[in-house]
Amino acid sequence: RKEVEQDPGPFNVPEGATVAFNCTYSNSASQSFFWYRQDCRKEPKLLMSVYSSGNEDGRFTAQLNRASQYISLLIRDSKLSDSATYLCVVNFASKIIFGSGTRLSIRP
Amino acid sequence: DAGVIQSPRHEVTEMGQEVTLRCKPISGHDYLFWYRQTMMRGLELLIYFNNNVPIDDSGMPEDRFSAKMPNASFSTLKIQPSEPRDSAVYFCASRITGSQETQYFGPGTRLLVL
Repeated sequence: RKEVEQDPGPFNVPEGATVAFNCTYSNSASQSFFWYRQDCRKEPKLLMSVYSSGNEDGRFTAQLNRASQYISLLIRDSKLSDSATYLCVVNFASKIIFGSGTRLSIRP
Repeated sequence: DAGVIQSPRHEVTEMGQEVTLRCKPISGHDYLFWYRQTMMRGLELLIYFNNNVPIDDSGMPEDRFSAKMPNASFSTLKIQPSEPRDSAVYFCASRITGSQETQYFGPGTRLLVL
């Protein structure tokens, strides 16, 4: 089993839709969690950290479920510019593990 | 402010040749990471340094790969001899202690080994 697993997608949704991704991790002692965004042929960039109580940044909401060992990302009112690959990242004992990413494509 | 700088941006070489990838982290950052990204395996951590010292190189695929960080502003990843299966995008990233693990990635080096 991979340490961090994501649905690779692609998710193809219309502009304005709400879309959610999940990511599961295998190590229950994982300490911190993040979502990164990667545009085609570009480097990954931090989108947001994921806090235990859940957190929101504009149209983006991240949640953590330690009991079930998954994190989620919700994007509301999706824009064309949200088209990208979203990488789930888990940190355990200073070891950073990236998921393989979920591809999102927003259509007009 | 300059971000993480990598060179070259593109490299095409023949099997058996030595390849050296270079990275300049963001000034003041004390962690430096080397990653490799392929379609098949995604983004893999190869090695990381803290204060110029290699901390975890368990991701380095084999002895053909080596990495150094002679000072706080420069690191190299060397492949010798290169093989076609080494073709990938190699990213360097840096962060500073206390930054909540936020890593800043360089633009990557696209390596093609023929």
